[in-house]
This record gives sequence, C-alpha cells and structure tokens, in this order.
Amino acid sequence: AQTVTQSQPEMSVQEAETVTLSCTYDTSENNYYLFWYKQPPSRQMILVIRQEAYKQQNATENRFSVNFQKAAKSFSLKISDSQLGDTAMYFCAFMKPLTNNLFFGTGTRLTVIP
Amino acid sequence: EPEVTQTPSHQVTQMGQEVILRCVPISNHLYFYWYRQILGQKVEFLVSFYNNEISEKSEIFDDQFSVERPDGSNFTLKIRSTKLEDSAMYFCASDPGTGEETQYFGPGTRLLVL
Repeated sequence: AQTVTQSQPEMSVQEAETVTLSCTYDTSENNYYLFWYKQPPSRQMILVIRQEAYKQQNATENRFSVNFQKAAKSFSLKISDSQLGDTAMYFCAFMKPLTNNLFFGTGTRLTVIP
Repeated sequence: EPEVTQTPSHQVTQMGQEVILRCVPISNHLYFYWYRQILGQKVEFLVSFYNNEISEKSEIFDDQFSVERPDGSNFTLKIRSTKLEDSAMYFCASDPGTGEETQYFGPGTRLLVL
C-alpha cells in the first residue's frame, strides 16, 4: 500500500523568506507521479506542482520548486519569496499508477508572517 | 480557464436521509473521482470512474454510496442513508486522460449530517 508522510504539522515563515516543506512516501512502484496541492481557508484544493518519477529534473513553477529524491522516496516543496497568500494547508500526494488514484499526506499548515 | 464545479457548496441533512452531491467535470475530461476530507484530517480517495463505470473504489465506498454520470455532463455521488460520520468535505476531481496525469479539483461540498 502507498503511504505519504508529512512530518511537519505546522510551519511558519517570514514574508519574502524561503521555506521548505517535507514529504516522504512509500511505494514499490517504479513509475508514478507526485503532487503538491494547496488548500487555503476556502478549502478548495489547488494544484501547485507535479513531478513525474521518471524525470530526474526537479519540477519548478514560478516561486515553487521541488527536491525529488527518488532513491530516498523524498519529495520536498520549496517556496521562495513567500507571500501572505501562500498561507494555507499544503498536501503532498502520490498518484497510483494505472488507476491514477491520489493518496494524500496529512498536510502541513503553513503560515506566512508579515 | 475551465473549472470543475460542484453543487451545492453546503448541505445539511438529517441522519438517515439520502443526499446527492453534484459535480460538473471539465469538458472533455475522461476520468472522474470523488474524495472526502473529514474536518482536520487528510483527503481520502473514495471512487474513480471511467467509461461509465467504476474503475476503483476504496473501503470507505460501501453499499451506501453510488456514483452516476446520468447525462454526459454531471457526475453525482449519492449517499443513500447518511450517518453522522459522513459529515465531511466532498471533492470531485477530473483528469483529461491525455497522459497529463493531473487531477483538477472542484471547490467541494461541505456536508453536515445531524
């Protein structure tokens, strides 16, 4: 079974600073996808970034980038130049191959401090 | 930009009543999903749907639950006899099925069972 672990229930960062959110996962699959979703107070799930396991290059999306370490089964999210609007719950998710079902971690609540 | 929509945004019901949660996936998407998130907990997979049939379902998705795509546009989740523990946020998601392997989530329906 796939498990996704986010070991930081809460984090805070000063506005304009950089923060890294951790995620590890467990799977026996070789090909899969990893995602970070953001959930603001409105509770909508917003896709932040995705990574294909077969790509060695780390994905980037503007201020968001990942550090994907396949051997270590680690998938951390780095947010640069943090903004107040980044305050949200952040969920790491693993996509099961073939059926494409998402398995989520328990989330990290990020607060950006002005 | 196309979005997944869900109605209603909030629903309150009495225990034992039937509820139908509605979703309109992004047009031309082929894969559809329901997830739920009990308050304060992680998002959990319920069911996936493709080609007018269930692809996979979780242990949560018991006989009280059913899904349907009645008209090629809507995608519904029915709970036949609601229980208190069904209170949660229910998210619909869709995937284009073009190899993008990305699920786009709707804003969710907050269900409260009294």
